[in-house]
Amino acid sequence: GNSVTQMEGPVTLSEEAFLTINCTYTATGYPSLFWYVQYPGEGLQLLLKATKADDKGSNKGFEATYRKETTSFHLEKGSVQVSDSAVYFCALSDRNSGGYQKVTFGIGTKLQVIP
Amino acid sequence: ETGVTQTPRHLVMGMTNKKSLKCEQHLGHNAMYWYKQSAKKPLELMFVYNFKEQTENNSVPSRFSPECPNSSHLFLHLHTLQPEDSALYLCASRGANTEAFFGQGTRLTVV
Repeated sequence: GNSVTQMEGPVTLSEEAFLTINCTYTATGYPSLFWYVQYPGEGLQLLLKATKADDKGSNKGFEATYRKETTSFHLEKGSVQVSDSAVYFCALSDRNSGGYQKVTFGIGTKLQVIP
Repeated sequence: ETGVTQTPRHLVMGMTNKKSLKCEQHLGHNAMYWYKQSAKKPLELMFVYNFKEQTENNSVPSRFSPECPNSSHLFLHLHTLQPEDSALYLCASRGANTEAFFGQGTRLTVV
């Protein structure tokens, strides 16, 4: 079956530091890949996505590139802010044996940015 | 605001109570999901509905009973829950070629 692996964290960074959160996946088909963000007390919100190999998703200064050769979708940001403190989930979407779309999430990585 | 609304936002219930969680979306999506989010555990997919039909049940105990009367509404009926069922319950929906949109969740505490 499909799976998503990401570091659990917490990742603690100082403001303006460079961020990388690693994500690797296993899938039988050609999945779409996503990063979701969850702020305290909220549900998950889509941060960015990529639907095919070599696509780069970007939003709010965050970027991730769909690397089929390494089955990875690492999240990066050049300069984090305190407001980026949240839990980040890597996810993939693929069709299951019944032909329906299924989303598989990683464990989530908590990011803490300190002033 | 994602377009997916969950009520209530918080719920405290005793182990002998019966309660229901509600999820509503008017995004025109045909797939709806229930997830359970517990501290220090991965997001757990519980149920999937496509076009009002349940297409996935991930070995969820029968004390959780989902209902999908139409493509816009999804319920999770709860009865005789255990303290370990305390968690954040998230509803999500998606269209044929869209990402999943999540509600803000219901924080459930079983006492």
